[in-house]
Amino acid sequence: QQQVKQSPQSLIVQKGGISIINCAYENTAFDYFPWYQQFPGKGPALLIAIRPDVSEKKEGRFTISFNKSAKQFSLHIMDSQPGDSATYFCAASRGGGSNYKLTFGKGTLLTVNP
Amino acid sequence: EAQVTQNPRYLITVTGKKLTVTCSQNMNHEYMSWYRQDPGLGLRQIYYSMNVEVTDKGDVPEGYKVSRKEKRNFPLILESPSPNQTSLYFCASSLPGGYGYTFGSGTRLTVV
Repeated sequence: QQQVKQSPQSLIVQKGGISIINCAYENTAFDYFPWYQQFPGKGPALLIAIRPDVSEKKEGRFTISFNKSAKQFSLHIMDSQPGDSATYFCAASRGGGSNYKLTFGKGTLLTVNP
Repeated sequence: EAQVTQNPRYLITVTGKKLTVTCSQNMNHEYMSWYRQDPGLGLRQIYYSMNVEVTDKGDVPEGYKVSRKEKRNFPLILESPSPNQTSLYFCASSLPGGYGYTFGSGTRLTVV
């Protein structure tokens, strides 16, 4: 059972464009939703995260939009740059549980063309 | 610099030869965890530890062991590796609640 579904699997965007990656979750007990960025040969690095008490969070060119009723959240990358080319993972966790496990989506390979 | 350090980065071994992948963090995090990353399957949790001497299974624990004798270290042990354990492994540590998960740079393991 895949608890976090991520789309698209891959995405090609021109420099300066907007990249949008979507995720949907099933477990309503999730209360923390981070996005991770992974470059080849590196571990995932926390990019931005949101809790369900807000509908949007922005950090620089990166914005998370959160829709609690639809159980969906998305990452928007404004003014996409070639340096943003990486694999992006959405994730979810239950902060109050006995295991701070991150349940990951399967990832989106983003390519930003110059 | 706050970080999670894994060693080795790359390892090729033969079926059945015991190996240990080390993991150390310098952030004084109580929680640590191991994940494996496989194409098409994403990242899946192997084992986790809430504190020293407290460990438990994640989603794919078969064929792995862990120990947590010190707060900073969380080694992953494969006592009899098999080819289906060929994967990219990540150690991570976190603040309570799963906030601020920090991953190591990964260990690419090949079992032949």
